[in-house]
Amino acid sequence: GAVVSQHPSWVICKSGTSVKIECRSLDFQATTMFWYRQFPKQSLMLMATSNEGSKATYEQGVEKDKFLINHASLTLSTLTVTSAHPEDSSFYICSASTSGDYNEQFFGPGTRLTVL
Amino acid sequence: GQNIDQPTEMTATEGAIVQINCTYQTSGFNGLFWYQQHAGEAPTFLSYNVLDGLEEKGRFSSFLSRSKGYSYLLLKELQMKDSASYLCAVLDSNYQLIWGAGTKLIIKP
Repeated sequence: GAVVSQHPSWVICKSGTSVKIECRSLDFQATTMFWYRQFPKQSLMLMATSNEGSKATYEQGVEKDKFLINHASLTLSTLTVTSAHPEDSSFYICSASTSGDYNEQFFGPGTRLTVL
Repeated sequence: GQNIDQPTEMTATEGAIVQINCTYQTSGFNGLFWYQQHAGEAPTFLSYNVLDGLEEKGRFSSFLSRSKGYSYLLLKELQMKDSASYLCAVLDSNYQLIWGAGTKLIIKP
């Protein structure tokens, strides 16, 4: 089956620093990758959709200058949380799609970010 | 606005059957998904319904009624490993996935 990995699995950083999270599709080429954020006991919230080689499409309320997304290849997308603050602490999950259709999304294992 | 409602928490006994309901009000409909999510892990796909009726897949079944804006996930022969959160998500007319908050299912021996 389609496997998606994320790195790191968890990260603790100081307020004001930047954190990069990688999302990789290991055995397929992902034309589209999605980045989600999930706070405890809450829904998955879509942050942005990225297509390989083009700029990401951000959801309303998500600051594109704070959450930098790069989808440089068909197997790798990165999310950089710039100048992280404690309120950015959350569970970040990526998913990848081969065709861009939502019913073909495969999720990564998630990254737990804690900002002190 | 768009809204997905599902119970916050349910408890069931090992070996029994449980039904988790989901109601939705969205701008358009292009399908409904059920995902399982264990604590601290990403969701895993369980089912996708776009037409009315029941879809059976092993111990799990999913039902959809588009006219009622309603779906349920039925879990049979419950096992302890089924303890998890179950997320209902609807694909709206813009092909945006709208997520419910999830139902935490607790299985007791």
